[in-house]
Amino acid sequence: EAGVAQSPRYKIIEKRQSVAFWCNPISGHATLYWYQQILGQGPKLLIQFQNNGVVDDSQLPKDRFSAERLKGVDSTLKIQPAKLEDSAVYLCASQRGRTDTQYFGPGTRLTVL
Amino acid sequence: GDSVTQMEGPVTLSEEAFLTINCTYTATGYPSLFWYVQYPGEGLQLLLKATKADDKGSNKGFEATYRKETTSFHLEKGSVQVSDSAVYFCALNDYGGATNKLIFGTGTLLAVQP
Repeated sequence: EAGVAQSPRYKIIEKRQSVAFWCNPISGHATLYWYQQILGQGPKLLIQFQNNGVVDDSQLPKDRFSAERLKGVDSTLKIQPAKLEDSAVYLCASQRGRTDTQYFGPGTRLTVL
Repeated sequence: GDSVTQMEGPVTLSEEAFLTINCTYTATGYPSLFWYVQYPGEGLQLLLKATKADDKGSNKGFEATYRKETTSFHLEKGSVQVSDSAVYFCALNDYGGATNKLIFGTGTLLAVQP
């Protein structure tokens, strides 16, 4: 079974630019998560989708971050405009059922200069 | 709110040494507990989990026991190898609410020397 796919793996942008990340979850997994992992910290949830509906986006900075999951499969996370403090690894995870294991993708490392 | 505290690293050990990485948690409900591992250049992988008090999770020679009385889930391995060098994250998931988010500790870097 293929794992969670993410792209790009690395991205370097200047502050105030925009950037988008893509995630393809494991086939059949209804739940999709985006986590932000700042260097030296554990991952923190940004947003959780159940199929194509949002379950929790309480920690998403909505003035600059947006996310969507069209058709309940792939998802994109966008930052516009980026700030220096957005430099982090953005992890996507998917899960089949509510109590099943969350499987993580390799992440996208974002550097904002 | 719920939180996880784990020992700071780096932890540097010689091959075949005994490993303990401490993890304690605070939760209002009855969480499931996890250890995830992140090898260099790779994503997070589930190492082991325990879903209720006194459960022991085990995998690849690693073990951790869910201790409700001490709110702990310490990771242990009897004999580490160079290939165990990675960052280890303790996490909890309280399934009581609508969200299933994992709450992670800050991670502990383990470096095993030959």
